[in-house]
Amino acid sequence: LAKTTQPISMDSYEGQEVNITCSHNNIATNDYITWYQQFPSQGPRFIIQGYKTKVTNEVASLFIPADRKSSTLSLPRVSLSDTAVYYCLVASSGNTPLVFGKGTRLSVIA
Amino acid sequence: DAGVTQSPTHLIKTRGQHVTLRCSPISGHKSVSWYQQVLGQGPQFIFQYYEKEERGRGNFPDRFSARQFPNYSSELNVNALLLGDSALYLCASSFRGGDGNQPQHFGDGTRLSIL
Repeated sequence: LAKTTQPISMDSYEGQEVNITCSHNNIATNDYITWYQQFPSQGPRFIIQGYKTKVTNEVASLFIPADRKSSTLSLPRVSLSDTAVYYCLVASSGNTPLVFGKGTRLSVIA
Repeated sequence: DAGVTQSPTHLIKTRGQHVTLRCSPISGHKSVSWYQQVLGQGPQFIFQYYEKEERGRGNFPDRFSARQFPNYSSELNVNALLLGDSALYLCASSFRGGDGNQPQHFGDGTRLSIL
C-alpha cells in the first residue's frame, strides 16, 4: 500500500500557480518526501525532494510543515507542457523500495 | 551523459513465452531497480539490485527473476507469460542502493504486450 494520499486529478489554466497537497500521516523519522513527474509513455522524472520546511529548485517548490504529515508541491506559472501525472512518495534510508500510489493527474488548459 | 537506457522499447509476446528485458544504468550508478506499471496505475516495485546482489523483492511470482552484471547493467526475465503481464516495465538507477534520499533515475521503459 502507498504511504501517501493525493488528489486523483486537478485542472489548471496556463500561467496559474498549481499546488498539489499530499498526506503522509505515518511518515517515519528517517523518511524523505520526494515528488516525481511522469509523461505518457515515459519513465517518472525526479522533480524535488525534501525533509522539512521549504525546498526550492528551478522547477518547483516543496513546502513541508513542522509535523511533516503533509507536503505541498508548488508549480509556478504552469504551461501546457506541465500536463502530467505527479507522484508523491515517502522513502526512508535502508533497503526500502519506492512505493508509488496512483498519483495526481494534472491537466493544464490553454 | 546518457540516462538510463532500456531495450527493447516495445515487445509483443504470446502467452506461455518468456521474455528478457535489459537495462543500462547511468554511468557510475551501482543500484538498479525494476518496476512494473500497468495502465492507469503507479509503478510497482519488482526487484532491486546493488553491487550484483539482490537487495529487495516485491510481491511478484517466481516467474519473475533478474540479475545484475559486473558492469552494473541488469536483465529482467519473465517466464510463462500471462495476459496480465502486459505492462510498461521500468528500470531505475541510483548511485547506491538502500537510501530513500537518493533520487532514482528512470528509463522510458519497455512496453510489453501479451497476446
